[in-house]
Amino acid sequence: DARVTQTPRHKVTEMGQEVTMRCQPILGHNTVFWYRQTMMQGLELLAYFRNRAPLDDSGMPKDRFSAEMPDATLATLKIQPSEPRDSAVYFCASGLVGENQPQHFGDGTRLSIL
Amino acid sequence: SQKIEQNSEALNIQEGKTATLTCNYTNYSPAYLQWYRQDPGRGPVFLLLIRENEKEKRKERLKVTFDTTLKQSLFHITASQPADSATYLCALAVYSGAGSYQLTFGKGTKLSVIP
Repeated sequence: DARVTQTPRHKVTEMGQEVTMRCQPILGHNTVFWYRQTMMQGLELLAYFRNRAPLDDSGMPKDRFSAEMPDATLATLKIQPSEPRDSAVYFCASGLVGENQPQHFGDGTRLSIL
Repeated sequence: SQKIEQNSEALNIQEGKTATLTCNYTNYSPAYLQWYRQDPGRGPVFLLLIRENEKEKRKERLKVTFDTTLKQSLFHITASQPADSATYLCALAVYSGAGSYQLTFGKGTKLSVIP
């Protein structure tokens, strides 16, 4: 079964450090989504891409977060500088454009900012 | 304001019984609705989709209903098994332009099936 791969699975770092999370979407999928999951807020959409172009990043704090797709096999989410409130599980999902399409999630990056 | 509410944070049922999970929403006009399963330490996994013009969908022991008048979806697992224990998330799909749909997720209901 094809899967979305996320690295690293866990990351612990100190406040102020740069954090980069990576995602390899399923081959052939043309949409990529970044979500953040916390107990308080649940699963929130941060940004998404269609055919590698950013379509919406309104869910992201723009001053410190950035998302890119340098090629079709790699999506990145960066936080610089990181803050303790960024601690969460970050998920990447991929899918096909169009109605009635499911999203396929990776297993997430669990981020702890000390 | 827009809200998605799943009936309870946790639901315990006896093995063999039918589990019923509820998803209510306000101030959305979803094109369709999806249900996902999430196990601890894992990402959500797609289970079922139901369109706005469909009343019911089934897949093996799973059944989903969608009532756009009540703004509610019900998710049923019949003959529940301990392996069905997980968190179940509903997600509303809203058209966001250019042929794309955004999903907004509820916070989930944690189901525990007791042997």
